[in-house]
Amino acid sequence: NAGVTQTPKFQVLKTGQSMTLQCAQDMNHNSMYWYRQDPGMGLRLIYYSASEGTTDKGEVPNGYNVSRLNKREFSLRLESAAPSQTSVYFCASSEGTGFNEQFFGPGTRLTVL
Amino acid sequence: AQKITQTQPGMFVQEKEAVTLDCTYDTSDQSYGLFWYKQPSSGEMIFLIYQGSYDEQNATEGRYSLNFQKARKSANLVISASQLGDSAMYFCAMRVPGVGSYIPTFGRGTSLIVHP
Repeated sequence: NAGVTQTPKFQVLKTGQSMTLQCAQDMNHNSMYWYRQDPGMGLRLIYYSASEGTTDKGEVPNGYNVSRLNKREFSLRLESAAPSQTSVYFCASSEGTGFNEQFFGPGTRLTVL
Repeated sequence: AQKITQTQPGMFVQEKEAVTLDCTYDTSDQSYGLFWYKQPSSGEMIFLIYQGSYDEQNATEGRYSLNFQKARKSANLVISASQLGDSAMYFCAMRVPGVGSYIPTFGRGTSLIVHP
């Protein structure tokens, strides 16, 4: 099992460009999450999907959109990238039915110039 | 709103000694879960240990134990017999029931360095 996979691993964008971060899990988990990690800030929740077909905002949703394509895949889109979105992005999944631990992908390091 | 506070930005410990990483939390929910994750320099997030709010006994997982003091709203991580490989960032997290899921909140982390 690959667990949680993310693509790409690294990306450099210019201000105003758009891109989609891909995430997939093979653990048959119901819930999936997108976080951003900035130095000294811990992980902040951008969006989550409690189950296939649902998405909800987290703590810092502005400037992002998400799509839960199916049970396996959850993508994060930046429509018009800004330097403030320079960060490391983590996707995670969990069974979602209780206080289960989350399983994380390896992260995507995004730089917006 | 839920909040996790980790007041120690950095900690140092000698190899083979024990170390405690502090975590306090704030929530009005009676039912919640507390977690600790490790992030080595390679960047991946690794789940270490879990404590439920109704669990009466402190959780233990190998060299990791969680010192859960509900009245003080603290959930400190104790690492016994530190090893060089324990050098990493450590994050405390909490999950509470929310809209269709159990919403996670993370603290800002504590950097642990283990000296030989």
